[in-house]
Amino acid sequence: DGGITQSPKYLFRKEGQNVTLSCEQNLNHDAMYWYRQDPGQGLRLIYYSQIVNDFQKGDIAEGYSVSREKKESFPLTVTSAQKNPTAFYLCASSIDLPALNYGYTFGSGTRLTVV
Amino acid sequence: QKEVEQDPGPLSVPEGAIVSLNCTYSNSAFQYFMWYRQYSRKGPELLMYTYSSGNKEDGRFTAQVDKSSKYISLFIRDSQPSDSATYLCAMSDAGGTSYGKLTFGQGTILTVHP
Repeated sequence: DGGITQSPKYLFRKEGQNVTLSCEQNLNHDAMYWYRQDPGQGLRLIYYSQIVNDFQKGDIAEGYSVSREKKESFPLTVTSAQKNPTAFYLCASSIDLPALNYGYTFGSGTRLTVV
Repeated sequence: QKEVEQDPGPLSVPEGAIVSLNCTYSNSAFQYFMWYRQYSRKGPELLMYTYSSGNKEDGRFTAQVDKSSKYISLFIRDSQPSDSATYLCAMSDAGGTSYGKLTFGQGTILTVHP
């Protein structure tokens, strides 16, 4: 079955640590996205990528970094510069941009907690 | 002001009730409208999609778009406890200033009591 796999499901980070969240898709989608979800704030876009080796900042990119070396993979690194990283992180993909009638396919998310 | 406004609720209804979920938006360039359902600790899944104005029905779900009022709705008939989830509206301008990316509402938390 095609889909998006996010790992790990739960992640704990110590203060000052960088952590990387994995996102892999086998849908042959060109575009991929990272969102952060906090209670009462909906989905906020961190980074997106339309094509391999290219990515753009979203609305809240500070303290985060990404890479897109392969079409299937779009890992997100939460750096120590992100002061409030505790949140639910969602990876998504779409056939292309614009997303039009196909919309996005989402992964199951990674819950990151600072300890 | 946010581009898309959605009442976060929470909304609590008895089983069998008709549920109305709504979003308003300010960008007149939006043409593609979607509703996603998100169960607790899961990723959102696409529930309904509508292009431009009009209605679309799928089983117990009806999506309605009124572009003149910049208002979209999702109706759930004969609601079931399994409908308990967060519902997110999303919309796209098909390549305009947002480059076709989806803009999401905050999500409405719905609970259907047996």
